[in-house]
Amino acid sequence: KAGVTQTPRYLIKTRGQQVTLSCSPISGHRSVSWYQQTPGQGLQFLFEYFSETQRNKGNFPGRFSGRQFSNSRSEMNVSTLELGDSALYLCASSLESRAGWRSSPLHFGNGTRLTVT
Amino acid sequence: DAKTTQPPSMDCAEGRAANLPCNHSTISGNEYVYWYRQIHSQGPQYIIHGLKNNETNEMASLIITEDRKSSTLILPHATLRDTAVYYCIVRVEGSNTGKLIFGQGTTLQVKP
Repeated sequence: KAGVTQTPRYLIKTRGQQVTLSCSPISGHRSVSWYQQTPGQGLQFLFEYFSETQRNKGNFPGRFSGRQFSNSRSEMNVSTLELGDSALYLCASSLESRAGWRSSPLHFGNGTRLTVT
Repeated sequence: DAKTTQPPSMDCAEGRAANLPCNHSTISGNEYVYWYRQIHSQGPQYIIHGLKNNETNEMASLIITEDRKSSTLILPHATLRDTAVYYCIVRVEGSNTGKLIFGQGTTLQVKP
């Protein structure tokens, strides 16, 4: 079974530009979460989508947004890029867990390395 | 979700068992203990998780104390490829949230 796929692997953008990152979850996984990883702040949760709806959001400015498609693929967008947005952006997917089910682990992709100059 | 405390770094000799501790003294009864590891420039890799019983899979064993306030991840025969940052996380059972709270983790250095 293929893992979580993120594209592109590397990206270089200029301050003020916007960027879109893509994530394809593991087949059958309907929940997709996004994380930002920087040396100073570590791994931080951005948001989570399930069935095309955002159901959880971290503490990031509105410049960070995302969406999920009917096939569970997800994209995140960062507008008006700042130097501090340089980071590794990670996507993770998991099976939907329902009340009474054992928790399902998140499986991560290898991320998109974004550099803002 | 409860917070976890891990030592910042540990060394282990190749071929020996690596025992990584984690304290989660404020864990609730419905919170699982999860372990992930991250090798440089890759995404975190799921290792194992458990509620109160010890768990074992092909990668590792997880030992949870009876009071559930701490746990130990055991890599039975560490190899150089096990050098990574190891994260211990607690997460509510059945939670439909994809939000995990990562701490700084333990950097495990496996030495020849």
